[in-house]
Amino acid sequence: KQEVTQIPAALSVPEGENLVLNCSFTDSAIYNLQWFRQDPGKGLTSLLLIQSSQREQTSGRLNASLDKSSGRSTLYIAASQPGDSATYLCAVNSNSGYALNFGKGTSLLVTP
Amino acid sequence: EAGVVQSPRYKIIEKKQPVAFWCNPISGHNTLYWYRQNLGQGPELLIRYENEEAVDDSQLPKDRFSAERLKGVDSTLKIQPAELGDSAVYLCASSQGVQGAYEQYFGPGTRLTVT
Repeated sequence: KQEVTQIPAALSVPEGENLVLNCSFTDSAIYNLQWFRQDPGKGLTSLLLIQSSQREQTSGRLNASLDKSSGRSTLYIAASQPGDSATYLCAVNSNSGYALNFGKGTSLLVTP
Repeated sequence: EAGVVQSPRYKIIEKKQPVAFWCNPISGHNTLYWYRQNLGQGPELLIRYENEEAVDDSQLPKDRFSAERLKGVDSTLKIQPAELGDSAVYLCASSQGVQGAYEQYFGPGTRLTVT
């Protein structure tokens, strides 16, 4: 079974810092990997989707990389803002099934 | 374009009572998913539909949970009877096509509290 781990579980940074969130997965046979944002009491907002054949995707201040062979992905957030405060979830879509396997998330707090 | 719609947003019921959740996926999305998210955890799949067919329901507790997807569009997830451990957020998602490479879009979820 695909296991997804996210490190760190929580992170607090001052506004303006660049930061990296880490995601690792145990089975490299994947279709794609998605990064989501979840605000308290809300649903999931898709941030970036990386297909298995891709190495990275960028959207605004966000950049996600994928190293399928080593089972790792990173989400880079540049020039963090208080509005970036949320929980960030990594999810892997494995070849063995089409459902997403999620990590437990990284809770990010950006202080003014 | 409208996103995934879910209702109700919140539901509080007593244990042993029935409850139902409704989901309307993004127009044209053939695949629909129900996930359950416990506090502090990532969502876990309950059931996946391709059009009107349930193709993966291995994680659905079939003794008390049931689901249907009428005409391959809207879906309803039911719990009867509810237990205290069913308290969670129930998320509906949809994706285009029936292959695994498509992006999944999530609704706002239904937060269920069983007392």
